[in-house]
Amino acid sequence: GENVEQHPSTLSVQEGDSAVIKCTYSDSASNYFPWYKQELGKRPQLIIDIRSNVGEKKDQRIAVTLNKTAKHFSLHITETQPEDSAVYFCAASWKNTGKLIFGQGTTLQVKP
Amino acid sequence: GAGVSQSPRYKVAKRGQDVALRCDPISGHVSLFWYQQALGQGPEFLTYFQNEAQLDKSGLPSDRFFAERPEGSVSTLKIQRTQQEDSAVYLCASTPMAASQETQYFGPGTRLLVL
Repeated sequence: GENVEQHPSTLSVQEGDSAVIKCTYSDSASNYFPWYKQELGKRPQLIIDIRSNVGEKKDQRIAVTLNKTAKHFSLHITETQPEDSAVYFCAASWKNTGKLIFGQGTTLQVKP
Repeated sequence: GAGVSQSPRYKVAKRGQDVALRCDPISGHVSLFWYQQALGQGPEFLTYFQNEAQLDKSGLPSDRFFAERPEGSVSTLKIQRTQQEDSAVYLCASTPMAASQETQYFGPGTRLLVL
């Protein structure tokens, strides 16, 4: 069935360190993989996305890698800052539709 | 420009009441999605519209849930005879085009509490 597994569920790092969040998905037809950041009580905000025709994408301190063979993708945040503290969700499109299947979320805490 | 808006932001209902949640997508956006987000969980897909056509309602948990988008812009999610397990944040998202791989822009959500 449709499933996206996300790990870890919580992550605590020191300011300036890197953070990595990993997701695996079940549908081999998935072709779009966004990452959202959600602060408490706020809407999910897209921070980066990747489509299945590329293996890596970078935007300043944020990067995403995709391994379609293994059906997993990862979010990398370098030089973390306290304002990076939030819940991060990965998602995968379902069977080439617009429907997104979300992971369970990772609570990232960046300690000053 | 204006983003996706939702109303009300908060709704308290007594068990058994009907509720209606409204979503105003970004102007001109073709696709509209509804998601349910339980506390501490990721959003879960409910239903999808392309213009006024409801193309996928596979995520609606029961026949108490009904969604419409009659003119292809504003959408309403209606929950009849609310139950405590319906308590969640209901998120709406829209995309400019009909195709997949489009960025979904989310609204702030409606937090529903059923007592």
